Formats: sequence, structure tokens, C-alpha cells
Amino acid sequence: DAGVIQSPRHEVTEMGQEVTLRCKPISGHDYLFWYRQTMMRGLELLIYFNNNVPIDDSGMPEDRFSAKMPNASFSTLKIQPSEPRDSAVYFCASSSGDRDDYGYTFGSGTRLTVV
Amino acid sequence: SQKIEQNSEALNIQEGKTATLTCNYTNYSPAYLQWYRQDPGRGPVFLLLIRENEKEKRKERLKVTFDTTLKQSLFHITASQPADSATYLCALERAGNMLTFGGGTRLMVKP
Repeated sequence: DAGVIQSPRHEVTEMGQEVTLRCKPISGHDYLFWYRQTMMRGLELLIYFNNNVPIDDSGMPEDRFSAKMPNASFSTLKIQPSEPRDSAVYFCASSSGDRDDYGYTFGSGTRLTVV
Repeated sequence: SQKIEQNSEALNIQEGKTATLTCNYTNYSPAYLQWYRQDPGRGPVFLLLIRENEKEKRKERLKVTFDTTLKQSLFHITASQPADSATYLCALERAGNMLTFGGGTRLMVKP
């Protein structure tokens, strides 16, 4: 497996524009997580899905953020409209949910810069 | 409120020594605790998972302890190497397979 695949790797956009981040989890993983990482706040959980269903979105900062998982192999995180304070690295991670020794598998992240 | 605390100051050690990183938490009763490694520009990479009923776990040069009374985990790297230089994150599992991460500790191993 190629691991968790995120795109784009870098995104620079102007304030007010819509941004869509994409994630392909590991095949067979039932859980998908979106995290945001900044120097000030570290890694924050935004939302997670189990079997494509959103379970907890309490970490989503505002209504400007939305996430979907239309099928087991694809998820998007959308920000509309984007603001400079949304600048961060956004990570997608997936896991099997089994209590084994594999933990989460993270993607390489999308570095978002809103100017 | 729930907190996970890791030393925000970088830990500098000499190659060959044992590095010990600390993770303290409050207002959690985690069933599992995990440790991850993160290199610059990369996502965190899973290292070890320890369950609440396990006191210690080892994997090659890595050792993790979990003291639910002290609410503390220690992460040890023995015979450290410059390649071990990275940021190490501890994470606690809340209900529903959700992980909450500490701020991480940067380890620098000097040759």
C-alpha cells in the first residue's frame, strides 16, 4: 500500500477563496481523521469518520470548514471562505480501529498558506 | 480541563546515551497511550502503543512505561544515534478511537 495520500502538498490561496484538501486513506482502514498542526496549537483533531460516517466534528473551528467522505477511499476537507488564520499544515490519518500495534498512519500533509 | 504535557524545550544528548522523554497528563483516564515520531515536513509516524494494564513495552532500542497512578509515560531511546533526532509526540486515546496529541519534545542527538 502507498500509505495515506494527500493532495495537494502545498496550497497558496488568497483570502476569501475556497480551498479543497484531498485524502485517500489506506485500503481497509475504517477510520479517517483530519488534523491541523500549527506551532501555537500543535496537532488538533478537526473531525473523524468511521465507515464513511462523520462521528465527531467538534474540532471543526467554524462553519467555514466542512468535510465529506463519499466513499471508503476518498475524503475532502473544504474551507470556504479561507482566512489567513487558517494557514497551517493539514494532516489526514487513517486507522483500522483494531487494538493492535499499528496506531494511526498519517499522510505527508498539505501546507496551506492563505494570504 | 484535559491536558497532555510534554517538555517544550529541546532535549540535547550525546550519541550513545539514553534519551528519556516525559509525557504527563491530567483529567484523562486513557485506555491506551501512543508515541509518534515526526520529522520536519513530514507526518507523524507511529512507534509504540501501550495499554493501561501494561507497565512497560519495548521495541528494539525503544522502551515505553505507563504509570496510570502518576499519570505519566516515559519514552526511552537507548544507544541513541543522530538519526534519532526528531520531534516525539505522545498521544492519548479518548473514546471512539480518537487520539489527542501532546505538543511534542524535540530531541537532538549530537555525534
